[in-house]
Amino acid sequence: NAGVTQTPKFQVLKTGQSMTLQCAQDMNHEYMSWYRQDPGMGLRLIHYSVGAGITDQGEVPNGYNVSRSTTEDFPLRLLSAAPSQTSVYFCASSYNSGNIYEQYFGPGTRLTVT
Amino acid sequence: AQSVTQPDIHITVSEGASLELRCNYSYGATPYLFWYVQSPGQGLQLLLKYFSGDTLVQGIKGFEAEFKRSQSSFNLRKPSVHWSDAAEYFCAVVDNDMRFGAGTRLTVKP
Repeated sequence: NAGVTQTPKFQVLKTGQSMTLQCAQDMNHEYMSWYRQDPGMGLRLIHYSVGAGITDQGEVPNGYNVSRSTTEDFPLRLLSAAPSQTSVYFCASSYNSGNIYEQYFGPGTRLTVT
Repeated sequence: AQSVTQPDIHITVSEGASLELRCNYSYGATPYLFWYVQSPGQGLQLLLKYFSGDTLVQGIKGFEAEFKRSQSSFNLRKPSVHWSDAAEYFCAVVDNDMRFGAGTRLTVKP
């Protein structure tokens, strides 16, 4: 099993550009989530999904969209990048929403918006 | 909403010394509490968890944590720190979703 994979590892965007951060898991996990990590702020939940076709907002959803068309994939879209979205983004998955504490984390995507 | 606070941003200890990382929570009911470790450039790894029952929980890598309801705390401890324990540590609480503290960075001196 590859676990949770994220691409790209690094990305630099200009303000106003859009892009999609990819996340995939091969463990047949129902629950997937996106976090951003900023210095002194810990990890904050952006969006999550409890299964294919179901998504919901987390703590900091503004400026981000998600979709969950398959169990395996959970892409995160930045619609119009802003410098405030410079961060490290982590995707995670767990067997279901009852096990979110045992989430498997991807390696992260470091995003810089200039 | 539930939250956790980690009062210490950065802690330095000598190798072989004991360690205690503080975590305070804000939650009305009995919380589900967790400690994670993040090594540089890596994702998070679960160290231990508390749901209910025995207030002293054992985790991986020789870590333990004690739940104290009267103090709203869930502090992480290790009797003897190893250089490989240098990392960032996050306390977290789960309700409908998971909320993390800001993290404590641990430096280990030789």
